[in-house]
Amino acid sequence: VQLQQSGPGLVKPSQTLSLTCVISGDSVSSSSATWNWIRQSPSRGLEWLGRTYYRSKWYNDYAVSVKSRITFNPDTSKNQFSLQLNSVTPEDTAVYYCARLAVTGTASHAFDIWGLGTLVTVSS
Amino acid sequence: DIQMTQSPSSLSASVGDRVTITCRASQRISSYLNWYQQKPGKAPKLLIYAASSLQSGVPSRFSGSESGTDFTLTISSLQPEDFATYYCQQSYSTLYTFGQGTKLEIK
Repeated sequence: VQLQQSGPGLVKPSQTLSLTCVISGDSVSSSSATWNWIRQSPSRGLEWLGRTYYRSKWYNDYAVSVKSRITFNPDTSKNQFSLQLNSVTPEDTAVYYCARLAVTGTASHAFDIWGLGTLVTVSS
Repeated sequence: DIQMTQSPSSLSASVGDRVTITCRASQRISSYLNWYQQKPGKAPKLLIYAASSLQSGVPSRFSGSESGTDFTLTISSLQPEDFATYYCQQSYSTLYTFGQGTKLEIK
């Protein structure tokens, strides 16, 4: 299983940060996993942003800190999921990771597969 | 949110040393505790899940244990490739949280 991230590395303040994570070797609609975004910055450490998953229908859960500004969109036709973070400020500057959390089998309830990370800088 | 507190925040040790890193949860999390290793410029790598289960492919010198809300990562005999930053993470609550990290440096 591999996760390949893409998206711009520079976003202007007040604009929207958009990243995509393409999944190979698993399915975004798998009933055995959730698909997550996590970011890392020196000031905030590792911060879970939210997850998307399919259990007969799609569910999204978001961290309280970003809930009013964030949207996840799974795309089954491309086997990918995306992150949109609106109204960004310099505090949103971080390395953003997508990650799988398996809910059954070995390594369940742990982030066992990670993307390589995308450094996103918020600056004018 | 469940707070995860790691100690120490940094640690100097030598190759061959036995090293212990501790993580304390702010409330009961059962065994929903995972450990990750991160090297500069890389994504975190899962080492231990469910407090004490070794992830496939991870050397057996890594081990995890728990006692109530206290969790421990032990490296039995440090190797040069083990110098990195280590994080704990709870998955008891779906508002997942991480510890602040322990940086393991060469003495």
